[in-house]
Amino acid sequence: DTGVSQDPRHKITKRGQNVTFRCDPISEHNRLYWYRQTLGQGPEFLTYFQNEAQLEKSRLLSDRFSAERPKGSFSTLEIQRTEQGDSAMYLCASLRTSGPTGELFFGEGSRLTVL
Amino acid sequence: GIQVEQSPPDLILQEGANSTLRCNFSDSVNNLQWFHQNPWGQLINLFYIPSGTKQNGRLSATTVATERYSLLYISSSQTTDSGVYFCAVVTIYNQGGKLIFGQGTELSVKP
Repeated sequence: DTGVSQDPRHKITKRGQNVTFRCDPISEHNRLYWYRQTLGQGPEFLTYFQNEAQLEKSRLLSDRFSAERPKGSFSTLEIQRTEQGDSAMYLCASLRTSGPTGELFFGEGSRLTVL
Repeated sequence: GIQVEQSPPDLILQEGANSTLRCNFSDSVNNLQWFHQNPWGQLINLFYIPSGTKQNGRLSATTVATERYSLLYISSSQTTDSGVYFCAVVTIYNQGGKLIFGQGTELSVKP
């Protein structure tokens, strides 16, 4: 499978614990995006990377959230001190482009449940 | 910021019927994508269609960028077409290619 891969697919955690999600983009895709989707809503942008540089962060990305893409390949999204409101599907997408935009491809998502 | 409105919010069809889903957006865009979200939550790419018309089997899409809308046509619907359909756009002012999603249309196809 050469699509966008996310791990884990499901995570159940207790309030206050830290969680980390991993995204492996399509090979040679230079842009990588993180989105969050809650029940009944469309996905909302969190942040994106151009290679290893994090170029934009949404106001949704509180200081408990941190994302990295250290070598310009896979990315991690960490949530510290989780809260019940963090329960959502976390989606990763990637894109290969030399211009401002192009077709994004999404992974299967990581579903987080905070008890 | 840009507003993306999809209609109708919900749609129930009998198998074999045709349908049209609409996406209106409030500003100029240089990217528009249609997705189908499957029951497991994955977004499946249907069309990358900043302008013009495309067809893929029973599905087709048209974007009229100058009038700020896009339409997704589903013909001879099947129960497997059920799910949520999202339209998402990138404004011409965003250099990062960030997609902004609508709220989706939830389609239910009955046998």
